[in-house]
Amino acid sequence: DIVMTQSPDYLPVSLGERATINCKSSQSLLYSSNNENYLAWYQQHPGQPPKLLIYGASTRESGVPGRFSGSGSGTDFTLSISGLQAEDVAIYYCQQYYRPPYTFGQGTKLDIK
Amino acid sequence: QVQLQESGPGQVKPSQTLSLTCTVSGVSIGDGASYWSWIRQHPGGGLEYIGYIYYSGDTYYNPSLKSRATMSLDNSKNQFFLKLTSLTAADTAVYYCARGVAVVIAPSPRGTNFFDPWGQGTLVTVSS
Repeated sequence: DIVMTQSPDYLPVSLGERATINCKSSQSLLYSSNNENYLAWYQQHPGQPPKLLIYGASTRESGVPGRFSGSGSGTDFTLSISGLQAEDVAIYYCQQYYRPPYTFGQGTKLDIK
Repeated sequence: QVQLQESGPGQVKPSQTLSLTCTVSGVSIGDGASYWSWIRQHPGGGLEYIGYIYYSGDTYYNPSLKSRATMSLDNSKNQFFLKLTSLTAADTAVYYCARGVAVVIAPSPRGTNFFDPWGQGTLVTVSS
């Protein structure tokens, strides 16, 4: 199985500042045939299901605010949130869909400093 | 819009079989563009992929479940189902159904998908 490792586990950030969450995969998620990375990011608020934010490592899902952005390729990926807002407090997960069984990172808890 | 809703027992005894239903609205489960999936979240927060069923009946199960999982679907009711046998306390989790959005070009010959949307989830506790 492809192992996904996120860092940090806990991230306190001041309102209005930038939050950066890292995700590393044990194998490359880049498919050479189309140069696409098979990596998604989800946001989960307490008591709610995960919500898709980004797929293809950098494509924002419809309706997701522009302050969320994804980057990276191969085995190293980043989710950035610029201008942190109170409603961004949540747990964030990365997920690989390069090869089943699809696997998730352990999650990063984003909080207000 | 597409919505999914899980239903099933909140508590199951060890060694018994769990049966869950996912009711889909807003899209036909026969649309051919979706992998109807189950994912569970353990009490510590970890997310574990269980598997999917395609409209054709094709299935994939996570090998970690050691052949305990079976999925099926009912096109007439727009529902799909999960059965999980030989339950232990380690199967205690929130179970989510989700639509796997099919990706046109995939590294795997089976195709691939990410998950959007998810149902609200149902907590299943395995306890005597």
